[in-house]
Amino acid sequence: DSGVTQTPKHLITATGQRVTLRCSPRSGDLSVYWYQQSLDQGLQFLIHYYNGEERAKGNILERFSAQQFPDLHSELNLSSLELGDSALYFCASTNGGAGGAFFGQGTRLTVV
Amino acid sequence: GQNIDQPTEMTATEGAIVQINCTYQTSGFNGLFWYQQHAGEAPTFLSYNVLDGLEEKGRFSSFLSRSKGYSYLLLKELQMKDSASYLCAVRVLNTGGFKTIFGAGTRLFVKA
Repeated sequence: DSGVTQTPKHLITATGQRVTLRCSPRSGDLSVYWYQQSLDQGLQFLIHYYNGEERAKGNILERFSAQQFPDLHSELNLSSLELGDSALYFCASTNGGAGGAFFGQGTRLTVV
Repeated sequence: GQNIDQPTEMTATEGAIVQINCTYQTSGFNGLFWYQQHAGEAPTFLSYNVLDGLEEKGRFSSFLSRSKGYSYLLLKELQMKDSASYLCAVRVLNTGGFKTIFGAGTRLFVKA
């Protein structure tokens, strides 16, 4: 158990809909990263938050947004969903040190 | 831009040694990580290098040359359970803050 919790584990929704993915980081970690992993593809960096502030953005679509709340949990909002948005979405947290990032088990999103 | 290259796939024999290479072109280098990811699961942290040289941790070792933009992960005494994808990731620091960029991963097949 990495200590990072993601909910829900699985999500099936229709095109055009909006969903929210939730991540609770490890206790004490201020940084939260979101990644997208399509089938048999590598991890694509989406966005990084540190202590409630957006710190870096990757190739995140304008239809996607995220935020980190005062209790440090984070939400990734995906809207106007398309079939190509089907993927595993991982959240990772880190304290910024040499220990690397700890990943949640991911949310598998299927858009039908 | 930022770029990380790894071989797509490698095959090795149980009990042998395998070296997985990673080259990167980034600005604002702030450390290199290796992660292991079994299919459908979350990546797990293996190693971290920020200075040149070799870091050894049990059967796994990781090497970094910052001047060459090069790293490798060395796996000794291969076991069947080592069959997984191995992700090279580089943390960079720029005006936007820290972000971690992942390579596409090297899928390692260990055969008996």
